[in-house]
Amino acid sequence: VQLVESGGGVVQPGRPLRLSCAASGFTFGSYGMHWVRQAPGKGLEWVAVISYDGSNKYYADSVKGRFTISRDNSKNTLYLQMNSLRPEDTALYYCTTPKGTQLWLQSFDYWGQGTLVTVSS
Amino acid sequence: DIQMTQSPSSLSASVGDRVTITCRASQNISNYLNWYQQKPGKAPKLLIYVASSLQGGVPSRFSGSGSGTDFTLTISSLQPEDFATYYCQQSYSTPPWTFGQGTKVEIK
Repeated sequence: VQLVESGGGVVQPGRPLRLSCAASGFTFGSYGMHWVRQAPGKGLEWVAVISYDGSNKYYADSVKGRFTISRDNSKNTLYLQMNSLRPEDTALYYCTTPKGTQLWLQSFDYWGQGTLVTVSS
Repeated sequence: DIQMTQSPSSLSASVGDRVTITCRASQNISNYLNWYQQKPGKAPKLLIYVASSLQGGVPSRFSGSGSGTDFTLTISSLQPEDFATYYCQQSYSTPPWTFGQGTKVEIK
């Protein structure tokens, strides 16, 4: 299993950014996928989850209405569209897979290396 | 939302020591409690899931126990490669999936 995030960078407050997570080594289209972030020197914060077919999506309150999770199963790729970015969104963003194909009750099995988003003027 | 509280926030220990980290949930989460290890500059790594099941490839010196609201991660004999930050996470009442604040294990 390999997860490779990309798309991070420095962005001004209020601007958008889209992250990608390229997946390989497993049947991507059978698994829900999560985004988890970690602010510099801080702990882990769950951001969003999407079901295997994209029909169900859930968000942390801190990003609801600003971030959109999506996926393209034909490309084995997960996305996170981040709009109206704030300085407090500055973090390393990881994509991660649940242990099983069910969306609920699962631990996070495989993680990418993360992509850094810095929101600063 | 369920709050997860770890103790201690940090600890100093020597190679060979037995180390115990505690995680408390703000409400009953059955046994849906997971433990992760994170080394500096690396992604988290799943160690234990559903409170006591060892992830494949994880050394047997790691063990987990507990149910309901109180959980423990134990390292039976601390090794040099175990110095890291450990996080608990509940996956029972979601969303959101919530993590503890982390416990940093440092060399004494």
